[in-house]
Amino acid sequence: EIVLTQSPGTLSLSPGERATLSCRASQSVSSIYLAWYQQKPGQAPRLLIYGASSRAIGIPDRFSGSGSGTDFTLTISRLEPEDFAVYYCHHYGSSMRTFGQGTKVEIK
Amino acid sequence: EVQLLESGGGLVQPGGSLRLSCAASGFTFSNYAMTWVRQAPGKGLEWVSVIIDSGGNTYYADSVRGRFTISRDNSRNTLYLQMNSLRAEDTAIYYCAKDVHDSSGHRNDYWGQGTLVTVSS
Repeated sequence: EIVLTQSPGTLSLSPGERATLSCRASQSVSSIYLAWYQQKPGQAPRLLIYGASSRAIGIPDRFSGSGSGTDFTLTISRLEPEDFAVYYCHHYGSSMRTFGQGTKVEIK
Repeated sequence: EVQLLESGGGLVQPGGSLRLSCAASGFTFSNYAMTWVRQAPGKGLEWVSVIIDSGGNTYYADSVRGRFTISRDNSRNTLYLQMNSLRAEDTAIYYCAKDVHDSSGHRNDYWGQGTLVTVSS
């Protein structure tokens, strides 16, 4: 079973700053099966990035994903007020899927 | 417009049963695998189960295998989750989500708003 570990647990930043979120897999995974989701309080998760680096429809280009093997990164180039939320990485497996524990991006 | 609408949540006693439904519209339901994901209060997301487009194959998280059954009715565009032998730790919001799996990768591109299941005496 693939375990995804996200860091940091909480990221305290100001609007306009750059956010760098990490997701580490317990073993090497195919990048096409790594996705990122955003969740705001009281809302369902929202797809941001799939295939490690492809933005979903309607996602602003300040969001970018990168990485391969066991290390993946979600970068928000300049934080907007609406970007303060919890972010989850996700791995697709043929018979099992896994989420990381989440990184909360909060206003400093 | 794609819509996923969960229903069937509520309060149930430990050891009880509940069946969740997810009504889908706005896409060809029978062409896509469908997933259930849950979120305990104040906790992160946990994948629960997936069913392929035809309903022929199903997969479960270890935490629910043997107690939960995922199914679908493609004629009614509806996904189900039968939950038996419920435990306090099954208390969560349950989301259904549409799967996309192609050469670009896998993703859950649409999610319902969730239905709350509370297991308590």
